Amino acid sequence: QVQLQESGPGLVKPSETLSLTCAVSGYSISSGYYWGWIRQPPGKGLEWIGSIYHSGSTYYNPSLKSRVTISVDTSKNQFSLKLSSVTAADTAVYYCARHTWDGYNNWFDPWGQGTLVTVSS
Amino acid sequence: SSELTQDPAVSVALGQTVRITCQGDSLRSYYASWYQQKPGQAPVLVIYGKNNRPSGIPDRFSGSSSGNTASLTITGAQAEDEADYYCNSRDSSGNHMVFGGGTKLTVL
Repeated sequence: QVQLQESGPGLVKPSETLSLTCAVSGYSISSGYYWGWIRQPPGKGLEWIGSIYHSGSTYYNPSLKSRVTISVDTSKNQFSLKLSSVTAADTAVYYCARHTWDGYNNWFDPWGQGTLVTVSS
Repeated sequence: SSELTQDPAVSVALGQTVRITCQGDSLRSYYASWYQQKPGQAPVLVIYGKNNRPSGIPDRFSGSSSGNTASLTITGAQAEDEADYYCNSRDSSGNHMVFGGGTKLTVL
């Protein structure tokens, strides 16, 4: 059973960099799949941030691309998110998920439980 | 703004059938996936591909697609189906993902 768990600071100051890690258990990242980050501001909908292939290829939301870096560490079986120059608008619950992306198909499953990151001084 | 459009809210009487729709040009080329999210919980995949249900998802959930519209149908809605539902697919470029704005389902 694949499980994902997000971790990282729950409070980040404006203009600083948000850093989160997603630890994967029950499946080896190096075996395949994309791995994605999705966020949800309080009371709002879901927003895809980006996804990384196990080999390291990345795809980012164009609206966040200039500030986002997603990386993978197969030795630790985890992948990470960095979002720079954060503002209050980046306050959200951040989810990681395994991302199946091939042909005409695309879906996220399973998801981590999510972690709330608040941007405030 | 999202490239996938969903009705903000839909209601259904207990035991009746409800269809939740998702519209977008990219749906002419790509399948949608559907997620159920209850308050304070992470989203859960309920439909993916042409019309596939992950293990553990009741068969009252089904998916379909026609033209630029994907639909999630719940046949015989239960009280526990009350939740927010999101569709997801690719954007018009095909290289990025996008979620619909979500539909809040109320079971009366």
